Amino acid sequence: EAGVTQFPSHSVIEKGQTVTLRCDPISGHDNLYWYRRVMGKEIKFLLHFVKESKQDESGMPNNRFLAERTGGTYSTLKVQPAELEDSGVYFCASSQARRGGTDTQYFGPGTRLTVL
Amino acid sequence: EDQVTQSPEALRLQEGESSSLNCSYTVSGLRGLFWYRQDPGKGPEFLFTLYSAGEEKEKERLKATLTKKESFLHITAPKPEDSATYLCAVQGPAGAGSYQLTFGKGTKLSVIP
Repeated sequence: EAGVTQFPSHSVIEKGQTVTLRCDPISGHDNLYWYRRVMGKEIKFLLHFVKESKQDESGMPNNRFLAERTGGTYSTLKVQPAELEDSGVYFCASSQARRGGTDTQYFGPGTRLTVL
Repeated sequence: EDQVTQSPEALRLQEGESSSLNCSYTVSGLRGLFWYRQDPGKGPEFLFTLYSAGEEKEKERLKATLTKKESFLHITAPKPEDSATYLCAVQGPAGAGSYQLTFGKGTKLSVIP
């Protein structure tokens, strides 16, 4: 079974440009999450999709970040315009739907974003 | 707000030298505590989920335990291939239905041959 995949693995852009990150979850997983790790800090939650609906976007830092999950399959995270503080590693995770209980989240390899 | 503190930040062990990593947490209503392993340039790899105080889980040389305030990851007779960053994360109450994880900063383990 294929794991969570993310594209690209690295992205270097200049301040003010736009970048789109993509995540393909494990097949059949309804839950999809985005997390971010900035240098020296812990991994932090950004948002959670259940199928194509945003369940929780409380971690999104500002309106320069836009996440979509059309059709409930892959997801994209767009940063527009990018700022220096957006640099970090963006992780995607997915899990099966489990109402009321815990769920094990499986992570992708991450996309390292560098904003110059 | 959920909080997770891991200690030590870094740990160097000789091969075969057993030790423990600590994860202290504050959460209103723990649904699950997770341990992950992360190798450089890769994403977190799931190890264990613990649900309630007193629970223990084992996998090869690793054993995770849970109390009401902290979790320990015991490493018995480690090998160089156990070198990695070990991450602890908690999942709090369902609230609006989100299952977000709150992570600690991790413990970087180096096992020297």
